[in-house]
Amino acid sequence: DVKVTQSSRYLVKRTGEKVFLECVQDMDHENMFWYRQDPGLGLRLIYFSYDVKMKEKGDIPEGYSVSREKKERFSLILESASTNQTSMYLCASRGGQGVGEQYFGPGTRLTVT
Amino acid sequence: GENVEQHPSTLSVQEGDSAVIKCTYSDSASNYFPWYKQELGKRPQLIIDIRSNVGEKKDQRIAVTLNKTAKHFSLHITETQPEDSAVYFCAASLNSGGYQKVTFGTGTKLQVIP
Repeated sequence: DVKVTQSSRYLVKRTGEKVFLECVQDMDHENMFWYRQDPGLGLRLIYFSYDVKMKEKGDIPEGYSVSREKKERFSLILESASTNQTSMYLCASRGGQGVGEQYFGPGTRLTVT
Repeated sequence: GENVEQHPSTLSVQEGDSAVIKCTYSDSASNYFPWYKQELGKRPQLIIDIRSNVGEKKDQRIAVTLNKTAKHFSLHITETQPEDSAVYFCAASLNSGGYQKVTFGTGTKLQVIP
């Protein structure tokens, strides 16, 4: 059974702070993803990684960066948090090179004040 | 890039009725179309998917149809039950630069009224 975990369920940060969101998967998946979920906007891809130390920009990468030093861990970094980054952040992983199911983490509700 | 539109944004049905959610996509090269269900406070989970070489797929009360010519795919839920109440997301997957990139629709909130 695939397990994707995220470091925090709820997080409150101040404007300008550096924020780290961590995601860990235990199924040796090659691909990992970071999405943000906002009402009426669905799931929007921020960044993804298809291998260790590899990263690709998604549809809304501005204001974010990522790190993947180990296969099981994918970190999302907000260099200087802003109020418009208040959102639900979902991590996901997928195995293999082709199509297939993405397994999501429980999400982190981030509030930037 | 790919653009996925999903309708309706909200849907209310009586228990036992059918529900249909429709999605369109823009890139004819998209080759995989999953549907995810997200119950309140929980993570999205895959409920059914279809590949571009198939026109229809069914799993008990859930079915998905794909019209490649029209670039249109739909989720059909029959004999709805209260536990079907959730937000449903469609998605289209495209091979881009050697990896699969998935674009999600904006979601449909389904309410099944007992």
